Amino acid sequence: AQKVTQAQTEISVVEKEDVTLDCVYETRDTTYYLFWYKQPPSGELVFLIRRNSFDEQNEISGRYSWNFQKSTSSFNFTITASQVVDSAVYFCALSIIQGAQKLVFGQGTRLTINP
Amino acid sequence: DSGVTQTPKHLITATGQRVTLRCSPRSGDLSVYWYQQSLDQGLQFLIQYYNGEERAKGNILERFSAQQFPDLHSELNLSSLELGDSALYFCASSVVGGQGYETQYFGPGTRLLVL
Repeated sequence: AQKVTQAQTEISVVEKEDVTLDCVYETRDTTYYLFWYKQPPSGELVFLIRRNSFDEQNEISGRYSWNFQKSTSSFNFTITASQVVDSAVYFCALSIIQGAQKLVFGQGTRLTINP
Repeated sequence: DSGVTQTPKHLITATGQRVTLRCSPRSGDLSVYWYQQSLDQGLQFLIQYYNGEERAKGNILERFSAQQFPDLHSELNLSSLELGDSALYFCASSVVGGQGYETQYFGPGTRLLVL
């Protein structure tokens, strides 16, 4: 079975601070995908990034960056120079390729950026 | 806007009643997934349909059922509703059928309140 743990339930920082959201996953499968989704106060789930288990290269997209480390089963997400609009609940998710390609989500981290 | 549409946006009903939630996938997507988001269970996979056929089942109650129609839209039917069924119900779609894995894109959700 697969499991995703986001140990940080809530994080609150002041605007312009850098913040890292932690994600640890468990799976016995060697081929899998990892995701981050954002859920703003309006409620929809917005796809941010997908990473496959063979690609451990870190990725940067603007102020967002992701650090994937297979050795520690972690897929952490960093927001640099945070902004109030980054306030949302962020979910890390895992999916294996074989069988049902369902997403297994972590419990989410509520990020509040204060002005 | 993900391109996935869900109706209605909000639904208020009474215990014991039956409701139908509707989802239209992104153009070209063959697979539809249903997820439930509740405070105590988090985001949970319910069921997946691919091109009209059930592909995978998750923690879906027997009181719940779904189907995918020839035009690829999907409906989730919830019957004999209980207070604990109050949740945000998401539909997601992906292409599925190509090489590898395709990202799931989520609709805005239907917020169900059972009184």
